[in-house]
Parts: sequence; C-alpha cells; structure tokens
Amino acid sequence: EAGVAQSPRYKIIEKRQSVAFWCNPISGHATLYWYQQILGQGPKLLIQFQNNGVVDDSQLPKDRFSAERLKGVDSTLKIQPAKLEDSAVYLCASSGEYSPLHFGNGTRLTVT
Amino acid sequence: RKEVEQDPGPFNVPEGATVAFNCTYSNSASQSFFWYRQDCRKEPKLLMSVYSSGNEDGRFTAQLNRASQYISLLIRDSKLSDSATYLCVAPTDSWGKLQFGAGTQVVVTP
Repeated sequence: EAGVAQSPRYKIIEKRQSVAFWCNPISGHATLYWYQQILGQGPKLLIQFQNNGVVDDSQLPKDRFSAERLKGVDSTLKIQPAKLEDSAVYLCASSGEYSPLHFGNGTRLTVT
Repeated sequence: RKEVEQDPGPFNVPEGATVAFNCTYSNSASQSFFWYRQDCRKEPKLLMSVYSSGNEDGRFTAQLNRASQYISLLIRDSKLSDSATYLCVAPTDSWGKLQFGAGTQVVVTP
C-alpha cells in the first residue's frame, strides 16, 4: 500500500513570500489532515477534510493560510504571505473509516 | 489544563531496562487513544491503538485508566532503537477531534 505522498520535502523562502505544499493521501482514505509541527512540540491540526468538505479549520490562520481538496483526493496548503513564525514541518495525514492517521514525510519550511 | 499532557522527559534508560510514562487527557468521554513514535526529523508513525483497558504488542504495553484519565506506555527490555519521542493522541471533543501531546523523549543508552 502506497503511503501519504507530500512535496516538496524542503522549502526555504523569505518572509512575505508565498509557498504551497501538496499532499496525496492513501488511496481510499476519505479524511485528510494538515498539521503544523514546530520544533519541540506535538503536531497541531490546521485543517481537516472529509472528502472535499472542511470538517475543522478552527486553528487555521485564515488571514494567511488556505487549503483546498478538490475532487476529494489531493490537497494543497498555501501560505501567503509567510511570516518567520511559520517555520515548521507541515505534515499531511490521512485516515480511512476505521483506520488511524497515517502521515506523510512532511515538508520542512524555513522562513528567513 | 492542556487537553493532552505529557512529561517531555527525557527519560534516560539503560539498555535492557523498563521505562514507563503517562499521558493525561481532559475529555472524560474519550474512547480511543493512540501512541505514535516519532524519530528525529521524521514523521510520526503509529505504535499502538488503545480502545479499552489496554493493549500489548511485544515489548510495548499501553494501559488506560479512565478514572484518573490517563494512558500509559511501558517499554520492556529497552533497545537502542527505541530511542525516540513518543506522542500521545486523544480525542478532545464528541466529534473525535484528535489532539496530540507534545511528546515524551526516550533515550536508551548502552
């Protein structure tokens, strides 16, 4: 079974620039999550999709972050404009109806 | 009180010894819990699911104490390869929204 695919693995940008991350979940997984993990902390949920609908985006900084999951499969997370405090690992995860979360390798973002 | 709280450690454990640590949760209605393992600069990987009183998988035992609202993870006969951060995951609302703890670091030494 192929895992959760994410790209890019690493990204370095200057503050105020924009950046986008891509995620392809495990085939058949209806639920997709984007997490932000700052060094030394646990993953923090940014947004959760059920198919192509948003279930929870209460912790998504909507003034600068956006996410979409067109057609209920792939998803993109965008940050515009980026701030220094956005430096973190962005993890995508997916789950099926009776399966726990499976994570992708993550994208390590550095904002300078 | 944090919704999911863990002792950050580090727990320094001699190889072959036993180590145990807890995770407290605030939602008394929580039914299912998970332990994830995260190696340095890697993604979290599922270690164990905990649905009732506990679960055992080889050298790893997870127990659930509903009265005191905590789950524990015990590692027996520790291996060097067990060195990692262990993340506790618990639902924080009736919709099953999962919250991660900050993790407990375990360092197994020769």
